[in-house]
Amino acid sequence: KAGVTQTPRYLIKTRGQQVTLSCSPISGHRSVSWYQQTPGQGLQFLFEYFSETQRNKGNFPGRFSGRQFSNSRSEMNVSTLELGDSALYLCASSGDNRDEQYFGPGTRLTVT
Amino acid sequence: QKEVEQNSGPLSVPEGAIASLNCTYSDRGSQSFFWYRQYSGKSPELIMSIYSNGDKEDGRFTAQLNKASQYVSLLIRDSQPSDSATYLCAVHGSYIPTFGRGTSLIVHP
Repeated sequence: KAGVTQTPRYLIKTRGQQVTLSCSPISGHRSVSWYQQTPGQGLQFLFEYFSETQRNKGNFPGRFSGRQFSNSRSEMNVSTLELGDSALYLCASSGDNRDEQYFGPGTRLTVT
Repeated sequence: QKEVEQNSGPLSVPEGAIASLNCTYSDRGSQSFFWYRQYSGKSPELIMSIYSNGDKEDGRFTAQLNKASQYVSLLIRDSQPSDSATYLCAVHGSYIPTFGRGTSLIVHP
């Protein structure tokens, strides 16, 4: 099976702009979770989608949003970018065992 | 605030030795526990899961769980230089996963 794919892999944006990141889960996986990883805060949960519905949400401001499509692909959007949003954004998918997550390669976002 | 604590390390062990990585968590309602390995510049890779008290072995890896002490550990037997990575402990409670900051492991020849 192909793994989780994320696009783009690298992105440079300017403060105030918005960005959309994409994630394709492992075939057959219906749950997609998003995480932010920074050296200072570690790996932090953003939200989880299952069957096009947000099932759980972490403690992030409303500038961070997401959605899931009928084919389980997911997108994450960050509006009004801040310097502190610079991070590695990771997508993880899970199948029948919802808690066992398989991560994609991540999108490295740099905000200048 | 639900927390997962790990010693940041680095933990340095010689090749062939047993590496012991530890993790404590604050949420007593946590039900599932995971260890991920993350090489520098790469994404986390799931290596072990454990759901009930006791030991679970998979190859050179053994995960240990003690819910009463809120403690999870990972033992790596016959450590190899290729095991050098950061090991993340993850705890799932109410389906909100919480990750520790990770322990850096260095296996030297």
